Amino acid sequence: DTAVSQTPKYLVTQMGNDKSIKCEQNLGHDTMYWYKQDSKKFLKIMFSYNNKELIINETVPNRFSPKSPDKAHLNLHINSLELGDSAVYFCASSPYWGTGELFFGEGSRLTVL
Amino acid sequence: GQQLNQSPQSMFIQEGEDVSMNCTSSSIFNTWLWYKQEPGEGPVLLIALYKAGELTSNGRLTAQFGITRKDSFLNISASIPSDVGIYFCAGHGRDMRFGAGTRLTVKP
Repeated sequence: DTAVSQTPKYLVTQMGNDKSIKCEQNLGHDTMYWYKQDSKKFLKIMFSYNNKELIINETVPNRFSPKSPDKAHLNLHINSLELGDSAVYFCASSPYWGTGELFFGEGSRLTVL
Repeated sequence: GQQLNQSPQSMFIQEGEDVSMNCTSSSIFNTWLWYKQEPGEGPVLLIALYKAGELTSNGRLTAQFGITRKDSFLNISASIPSDVGIYFCAGHGRDMRFGAGTRLTVKP
């Protein structure tokens, strides 16, 4: 039983396209996150949702739009993809807002050509 | 924003050796955490520290929350090949910030 699952695991697309990554957690957690990991393995937070409400929205281009239809799901939609968007995107969840104990998904590797 | 400085960037050690890595920050954190990431996987939590001065062990791993709340270290004793991976420190305050990682290679 996968605790935090992301789909797709790999995504290859052309510049200018729009794509989505889906995330689901079956842990009953209140808080979910999107992180971006670049080629140097640096992890940077993008968004954080607590009980479906946006809590953190870091300096991310507005081409990136998260959506949380319910507590167990947090999807990421990216418009007009650029080369610099190529990275591994990690979804994570935590039991409640205010804890650093995160459970990460396996990541979605996005390659923009 | 809060920056974490993690060192060393990489380590190449022989199986059986002990490992030490640390993380410092210009800001105070309420929680320090250490994660490990293996190839093709997401980071996995190893140890969480909640009080300044706290020393916590998890098997061969030992981590400490610095007294100033601005630093933490992680030690791995008697390393084995499966310790290979990238180790990230993380500080939690308003949100979570990660260090740049320490890439550990263990030679059998």
